[in-house]
This record gives sequence, C-alpha cells and structure tokens, in this order.
Amino acid sequence: DTAVSQTPKYLVTQMGNDKSIKCEQNLGHDTMYWYKQDSKKFLKIMFSYNNKELIINETVPNRFSPKSPDKAHLNLHINSLELGDSAVYFCASSQYVGYADTQYFGPGTRLTVL
Amino acid sequence: AQSVAQPEDQVNVAEGNPLTVKCTYSVSGNPYLFWYVQYPNRGLQFLLKYITGDNLVKGSYGFEAEFNKSQTSFHLKKPSALVSDSALYFCAVRDNGSGNTGKLIFGQGTTLQVKP
Repeated sequence: DTAVSQTPKYLVTQMGNDKSIKCEQNLGHDTMYWYKQDSKKFLKIMFSYNNKELIINETVPNRFSPKSPDKAHLNLHINSLELGDSAVYFCASSQYVGYADTQYFGPGTRLTVL
Repeated sequence: AQSVAQPEDQVNVAEGNPLTVKCTYSVSGNPYLFWYVQYPNRGLQFLLKYITGDNLVKGSYGFEAEFNKSQTSFHLKKPSALVSDSALYFCAVRDNGSGNTGKLIFGQGTTLQVKP
C-alpha cells in the first residue's frame, strides 16, 4: 500500500492554465507538506497543514493555493501557470508537528509548463 | 539564519569501498538532522535522523551518520558501497527559527556514483 500518493505523476500544460495536484496519505498523520524541487534539484518547502490548519506559508506567489479537506488530503491548486512553475512537486506527511518528526514523501508530480 | 551545506556536488566511489557524503549545518539551539535519499524519478526516502544521544546514528540500507557538534557536521557513511547506492542524497535540518512547524531546510544535494 502506498503511504503518500500523488496524482497525477506527470502534468504537461500550457502557460496561463489552471491545474491541481492531489495528495493523499494513509499513514494517519496529522501534518502534510508541499515541496518544490527545481531543475537543479533544490528542495524548498512551500506549505504545511497541521490538522487542516495552515502552519507554513513560505514566500510563494498567491497563484498557488493549498487546500486540505481533511487530515489525509492536501491538494495544491495553481492558477495562471507560468514557465517558471515547471518543477517537481512533492507532498510529504509526518505524524505530528514535532521537533524531529520524520517526514515521508510521495513520489512527486513533474509539472511541465509550455 | 539556519542553513545546511553539502560541499560536494558529486562523490565517486568504487563498489566495496567506504563512502562518506558530507554535511555541515548552522542552527540556533539544538540541531535535529536528517538524511534522505532520492533515486531517479522517485520521491525522497528517509534514511536516518539525529535527535539526541549517541553521536553515531544507524539507519536504513546499512547507512550511518556521525554527529559532530564541535564541527557542526553530520556526515553520512557506509562501510562498503554498493552500485545500487548510486542516487542523490540530501541532508536536512529542522528550522528552529520557525516555531514548532516541522519546517526542514535541505542542503543542495550530493550525487553519489558507485562504480563496479
């Protein structure tokens, strides 16, 4: 059974479109995260939700909007896609928002904006 | 500011030889350190973490890491490398300056190439 899953795995779209990426975890964790990995493999946190409450909101364009309908799901909606949004987006989850709680990552969604 | 540095973009090692992937950190307060591995076109997999206690931490797939407070380092090691260990390795530190959010700061990654 997949612990943290994301759909779709690949997403190719045109500039200006709106798209969503979905994430689900079946680990019973309270906290979920979105990361962006750029073309140089650099990883950066974007958002985090704990029990459906937003707790991390990094300097991300407001075209990006996370939504957490319940503890097991965290979706990422992106409006007016730009070329620079092309990246791999990873979802992750952890049991708690703890000092050293391990984060478990999904397989990633490769977004290509043409 | 909290930060993590992985000084080597790539590490090359022959199969069967010991390997070391370096990581240094800068945080305020107690450091909570992690190593993850990313295989091609895959997500990150957790290897090990240091919270407190023994400076030598053992993790998955035979990896271990040594925490050195005086040198602010957390190097990843393995006594005998396998070709299948070839991957991208990330060191991460918990951002103690962001409150209790679980935020991790990642290093830039080190590609490990193990040759037969």
